[in-house]
Parts: sequence; structure tokens; C-alpha cells
Amino acid sequence: NAGVTQTPKFRILKIGQSMTLQCTQDMNHNYMYWYRQDPGMGLKLIYYSVGAGITDKGEVPNGYNVSRSTTEDFPLRLELAAPSQTSVYFCASSYTMNTEAFFGQGTRLTVV
Amino acid sequence: EDQVTQSPEALRLQEGESSSLNCSYTVSGLRGLFWYRQDPGKGPEFLFTLYSAGEEKEKERLKATLTKKESFLHITAPKPEDSATYLCAVQDNGEWLHTGNQFYFGTGTSLTVIP
Repeated sequence: NAGVTQTPKFRILKIGQSMTLQCTQDMNHNYMYWYRQDPGMGLKLIYYSVGAGITDKGEVPNGYNVSRSTTEDFPLRLELAAPSQTSVYFCASSYTMNTEAFFGQGTRLTVV
Repeated sequence: EDQVTQSPEALRLQEGESSSLNCSYTVSGLRGLFWYRQDPGKGPEFLFTLYSAGEEKEKERLKATLTKKESFLHITAPKPEDSATYLCAVQDNGEWLHTGNQFYFGTGTSLTVIP
């Protein structure tokens, strides 16, 4: 039972480079989310999706983009990486808007 | 804006020494309060959901309670394997309708249980 799978687990980017963080879930959840977690801060919502083809911004969307072409996949795109994007990124999914979220193992990204 | 505050930031307990973690919140309308456990290098793992004041939920050595302004996570006779960071998150009904934002997370309590 895989749940929410994120790749890669670790990545180092140079300033100005781009990359895509992959996220897939096998629970047939409609709701998916991307969070970032910084030391001493609570998890902050970057983008979320309520179903295939529907995405919207969260609290901290600047510098990121998402797409949701299928129920299973919700990739996060970083364009022109900046040191401020150094963080741990978590993808999550939930069955409904009232139920708990299931999280992936995270991607630790460093921008140098 | 929603506020979720967890205390203490860190807690060290001897094995068997019971204690409580606190999560205080201010929301326009509570839709739900969630407790998660996070181990180092891992994603948060769901523990409990509480929806209304007076509600309680238990799982092994953990018991979560909810009032109109705060939630407690009680740990009874903890073991070293209970060492982790415990996160609290709230859903605000008003914010959901306005922004679609699902969960507001606290910064967590780092629990260490010493054998």
C-alpha cells in the first residue's frame, strides 16, 4: 500500500535552475496539496487541487507552479530557483475536505 | 488570520512520566482539529481528528481532548518510541469558504522520552 509517493528525496539546485517535484497517490483522493516546511515554522500551503484539472494557490505560491492532469499525479514546478526556496517539501492528499491528509515522505531541496 | 500555537516547543520526559501537550487556536469557525506525529526525515502521520468541544479520542498511550479554544494531547506512561514531533492543525470553516485553504499548522512540540 504505497499511499503518497514523492520523488526525489533529496536535491541540490543552483540558483536559476528549474525542477519538478513529483507526487503520486494511489488512494483515489480528489484533494491534493503541496506544503513546505521550514525550521521553526508550521507547514505552509503552496498550492492545492480539488480534482483533476482544478488547482488553486495557497498561502505561499510565488515561484511555484502546479498541474493536475490526472487524479493520481500532482507535480510541483520550481522555475528559476532561489535560495529562499530551500526547504522540505511535502505532498499530501485527502479523500474529502473534512478528512485527514496523508503525507508523503518529503523532498529536501537545497538551492545554492 | 488563523493562529495556531503549540506549547511547549520541546519536552523531555522520563519513560513512564505522563504529561500533556497543548494546542491553542483562534479561528472564525472550527471545522476540525487534527493531531499528527512526525518522525525525523519523515512526513506527518495522522493521529486524531476532533470536531467539537468536549470530544475525546484515544489511541494506545495517547488521548486527545478539545475545548472551544484549545486541544490537549495527553501522553500516559510514555515510552522511548513515542519520541517525535507532534503537530496540531486546524481547519477554519470561514477560511475554507474564502480561500480554500485546508489546514493551518502549528510549529509542533518536540517530545523526547528518555529510557
